[in-house]
Amino acid sequence: DAGVIQSPRHEVTEMGQEVTLRCKPISGHNSLFWYRQTMMRGLELLIYFNNNVPIDDSGMPEDRFSAKMPNASFSTLKIQPSEPRDSAVYFCASSLGVGSYNEQFFGPGTRLTVL
Amino acid sequence: SQKIEQNSEALNIQEGKTATLTCNYTNYSPAYLQWYRQDPGRGPVFLLLIRENEKEKRKERLKVTFDTTLKQSLFHITASQPADSATYLCALDSSNTGKLIFGQGTTLQVKP
Repeated sequence: DAGVIQSPRHEVTEMGQEVTLRCKPISGHNSLFWYRQTMMRGLELLIYFNNNVPIDDSGMPEDRFSAKMPNASFSTLKIQPSEPRDSAVYFCASSLGVGSYNEQFFGPGTRLTVL
Repeated sequence: SQKIEQNSEALNIQEGKTATLTCNYTNYSPAYLQWYRQDPGRGPVFLLLIRENEKEKRKERLKVTFDTTLKQSLFHITASQPADSATYLCALDSSNTGKLIFGQGTTLQVKP
């Protein structure tokens, strides 16, 4: 298995532009998680899905952020409009199911820089 | 307030020694606690999971303890090697929903 796939790996954009990050989870995994990592705040959970349904989006910073999972093999995280404080590494992770006894498999991350 | 605390200062040890990393938490009652390793420029990689009713878990040179009274987990790497140099993150569930809360991580540097 190729593992969790994220694209792009790096994104540089200007303030105000729309940014779309993409994730393909491991086949057969039912849960998908989006995280953001910064030096100041560490690794923060933004939103997670189970069976393509958003379960908890309480970590989404504000309305500029949205996430979708149209099918079991694809998810997007969109920021519109982007701001410099959104600069971070965004990780997607998947696991077999809901339940904290499941290990999470992380993708390589997307490094976002907003100028 | 809820907090997970790991040593923010890097831990430097000599090859062959045992590294011990600490994870303390407050105002959580986790059923599970997980440890991950993260190398620069990469995503975290799962290492071990320990349940609240387990005192200790081992995997090769790794050992994790979980003390729910002290609200603390210790992560040990025995016979450490330079290849063990990385940042180690602890994570706990807040409600057994799969929602993991991560600590800030401790960077381990093993010198040859």
